Amino acid sequence: AQSVTQLGSHVSVSEGALVLLRCNYSSSVPPYLFWYVQYPNQGLQLLLKYTTGATLVKGINGFEAEFKKSETSFHLTKPSAHMSDAAEYFCALRGGYNKLIFGAGTRLAVHP
Amino acid sequence: DTAVSQTPKYLVTQMGNDKSIKCEQNLGHDTMYWYKQDSKKFLKIMFSYNNKELIINETVPNRFSPKSPDKAHLNLHINSLELGDSAVYFCASSPSGRTYEQYFGPGTRLTVT
Repeated sequence: AQSVTQLGSHVSVSEGALVLLRCNYSSSVPPYLFWYVQYPNQGLQLLLKYTTGATLVKGINGFEAEFKKSETSFHLTKPSAHMSDAAEYFCALRGGYNKLIFGAGTRLAVHP
Repeated sequence: DTAVSQTPKYLVTQMGNDKSIKCEQNLGHDTMYWYKQDSKKFLKIMFSYNNKELIINETVPNRFSPKSPDKAHLNLHINSLELGDSAVYFCASSPSGRTYEQYFGPGTRLTVT
């Protein structure tokens, strides 16, 4: 069965510090992987996606993620956190009929 | 211009009532979805339609019935509302050929009292 696990439901960083949000997946077929961000009281916005090809993918707002097949991981990083990055982040995997299978989410807090 | 819009944004109603949530997308996408986000922020797909045809119907109670009058609209009707239906419901759409790339609406927060 396909699944997504996000390690750490809450992550707190200082402004300017590295952001690392962890995502591991389970899939019997080559995965398509996504990161979405949800700001308070808003819908989800696609940050970046991995389908095929280059394993390091860059997204909006300075975020990037690296697909590592050997580790079944797709961790999200940003070199320097901004206050505006505070939000809920969801890792997702393409499932059957192209539905998205989401992880439980990680709430990122950024403090001064 | 709003790409995927939902109405209403907030919906408060009593148990036993019937309510509808509307979704419209102006992106020209062929596929539309309904997702439910529970109080712990967990997101799960409910339905998916492609060109007005039902593609995905997860294990959702029969009280939930999606309706797609055309490929730009996917409405969600809920009968006999229960307390457990309280959640945020998100509509999404995706383009033909890239149905994994989904664009979400702002959500409808349903509260059943």
